[in-house]
Amino acid sequence: VLTQSPGTLSLSPGERATLSCRASQNVLSNYLAWYQQKPGQPPRLLIYSASSRAAGIPDRFNGSGSGTDFTLTINRLDPEDFAVYYCQQYGSSPRFTFGPGTKIEIK
Amino acid sequence: QVHLQESGPGLVQPSQTLSLTCTVSGGSISSGDHNWSWIRQHPGKGLEWIGYLYNSGTTHYNPSLKSRVTISGDTAKNQFSLRLSSVTAADTAVYYCARDLVKYYGSGSYSSMAAFDIWGQGTMVTVSS
Repeated sequence: VLTQSPGTLSLSPGERATLSCRASQNVLSNYLAWYQQKPGQPPRLLIYSASSRAAGIPDRFNGSGSGTDFTLTINRLDPEDFAVYYCQQYGSSPRFTFGPGTKIEIK
Repeated sequence: QVHLQESGPGLVQPSQTLSLTCTVSGGSISSGDHNWSWIRQHPGKGLEWIGYLYNSGTTHYNPSLKSRVTISGDTAKNQFSLRLSSVTAADTAVYYCARDLVKYYGSGSYSSMAAFDIWGQGTMVTVSS
């Protein structure tokens, strides 16, 4: 089970966002990914393997953590960054599970 | 560039079988190096992985849906499909097909990064009479 906090984050453009994802058990091989989703769109992969940025993702997105505790940091929030963010882990069964999401809204 | 496109009925009657197809362009489901997944999202809710097809024939399902799910591939059409039987209103969701991210290391070796880098746009399926 993945838990994300906070549920909602109210911030202004230019601020830093810190999102947490906690797993109930160690994540296999730190296979922890982060996605961004905007209304009406599919999720977009941001980070894989806890800290590797996916192709084309700006360097203001940074992932960190290992074991059961992971963090997505977004430096200098851009107006386009206001969205819902999901973490996702690779496990034994089911193979993939997602967290409930954190919404970043404009303050 | 790989592109995925879901297709299928937008309305399914309760107790019937939901059937969706994902058409893959720019890549091959028979290449053997990628997993091809179905993922759903209930309205206003989070994401649920349903299952995947690997190497055109091997499948793995979410235990919560395993008794009702079948994922299969059609290599000739470069498509993979989802069938979900005995649907109820709880199966109303946006259904996505997705491909996993693979890293290549040379000499033919590669490894799945257990993350989904290519997604279809999604198709809304409503279960209602």
